[in-house]
Amino acid sequence: EIVLTQSPGTLSLSPGERVTLSCRASQSVTYNCLAWYQQKPGQAPRLLIYDASSRATGIPDRFSGSGSGTDFTLTISRLEPEDFAVYYCQQCGSSPITFGQGTRLEIK
Amino acid sequence: EVQLLESGGGLIQPGGSLRLSCAASGFTFSSYAMSWVRQAPGKGLEWVSVISGSGSSTFHADSVKGRFTISRDDPKHTLHLQMNSLRAEDTAVYYCAKTRYFSGGSHDVDYWGQGTLVTVSS
Repeated sequence: EIVLTQSPGTLSLSPGERVTLSCRASQSVTYNCLAWYQQKPGQAPRLLIYDASSRATGIPDRFSGSGSGTDFTLTISRLEPEDFAVYYCQQCGSSPITFGQGTRLEIK
Repeated sequence: EVQLLESGGGLIQPGGSLRLSCAASGFTFSSYAMSWVRQAPGKGLEWVSVISGSGSSTFHADSVKGRFTISRDDPKHTLHLQMNSLRAEDTAVYYCAKTRYFSGGSHDVDYWGQGTLVTVSS
């Protein structure tokens, strides 16, 4: 199975800053089928990005995804207070689907 | 509006069985594969099982294979997860999820329920 490694584990930033989260796969992700989810405490995850770079319905354009093969990134251009959460990547290129361990974004 | 409402969680002893259900609305249920994803307390996300839109194909994670069975009742717009021989390590919030993309077991998810907690403990 494909192992996804997210870095860093935790980021402490301030509102208004730009942030880039990394997701590295142990082998190439077929069709660049990679998604990003946001999860806030006590809530279910929410789909942000699919197919590595397509924004899901209703997701603000400050969120963007990029990458291919084994290296993917999620960028938030300007952090809003509501963006502080845990972010997970997930590959859907091969079965079983797998998730990264998550990156926690906390307010500095 | 897509809605997914899980039920059936609770406290169960090791070795016991539990059946989770997920009532779906707001989309053409029979047209979409459906998935279960779990999250142990304080941990990350782990995929559990997925079933195709027709119900003809099912896939399970190795960690639950032979113990869990996913099924669906399309006329009732309901997804189920039958969990047998439960272990302490199955303790988690179980999320029902609608797939956006599905192919041969591979999938991603565009809508999630709020989850139901399963606690396996004596």
